[in-house]
Amino acid sequence: DAGVTQSPTHLIKTRGQQVTLRCSPKSGHDTVSWYQQALGQGPQFIFQYYEEEERQRGNFPDRFSGHQFPNYSSELNVNALLLGDSALYLCASSSLGAGETQYFGPGTRLLVL
Amino acid sequence: QKEVEQNSGPLSVPEGAIASLNCTYSDRVSQSFFWYRQYSGKSPELIMSIYSNGDKEDGRFTAQLNKASQYVSLLIRDSQPSDSATYLCAVKVGPSGSARQLTFGSGTQLTVLP
Repeated sequence: DAGVTQSPTHLIKTRGQQVTLRCSPKSGHDTVSWYQQALGQGPQFIFQYYEEEERQRGNFPDRFSGHQFPNYSSELNVNALLLGDSALYLCASSSLGAGETQYFGPGTRLLVL
Repeated sequence: QKEVEQNSGPLSVPEGAIASLNCTYSDRVSQSFFWYRQYSGKSPELIMSIYSNGDKEDGRFTAQLNKASQYVSLLIRDSQPSDSATYLCAVKVGPSGSARQLTFGSGTQLTVLP
């Protein structure tokens, strides 16, 4: 049973560029949540997708956008990158019908220069 | 006041001792509580979930929840060097079965000394 997968594992971008991160949820899961984790901090909620719709959003600017596909996989897009966007980006999957336990993927480490 | 607060540590305990990790939360309607372990450079891994007042045991781990005091803790018995990691407390507001966001504390760094 494959767990949550994310790609790429590492990424280096420069300020002003755009980036797309990808996530495939755990088999049987239909909900994907994205988190940003800065060094030394706990993960901060960005948004959550269910049935290809953004269901909930945290306190992040519109530069952060996402998408969920019919196969439940998801993308996180960040436009006009800032140095402060450097962080570990985590995808968590869960199943709405089976409770609220979220399982995390390995993450994508983004460095903005 | 932060929504979820943890002692940042670092917390050091000798091998074989009990490690006690604490977490307080501010939202009284919080329903679900989770402990994640995060090794350096890795992603969070779920250890325990707890939903009702009292204790919940799983192997060497015991989660304790007191909703009246808005307090949740994690005890690690017979601590091993492999338990050295950052422990994240997470709280979910919303009824059971709803896929709401997790709010995390900043984590407590635990070091188990051989």
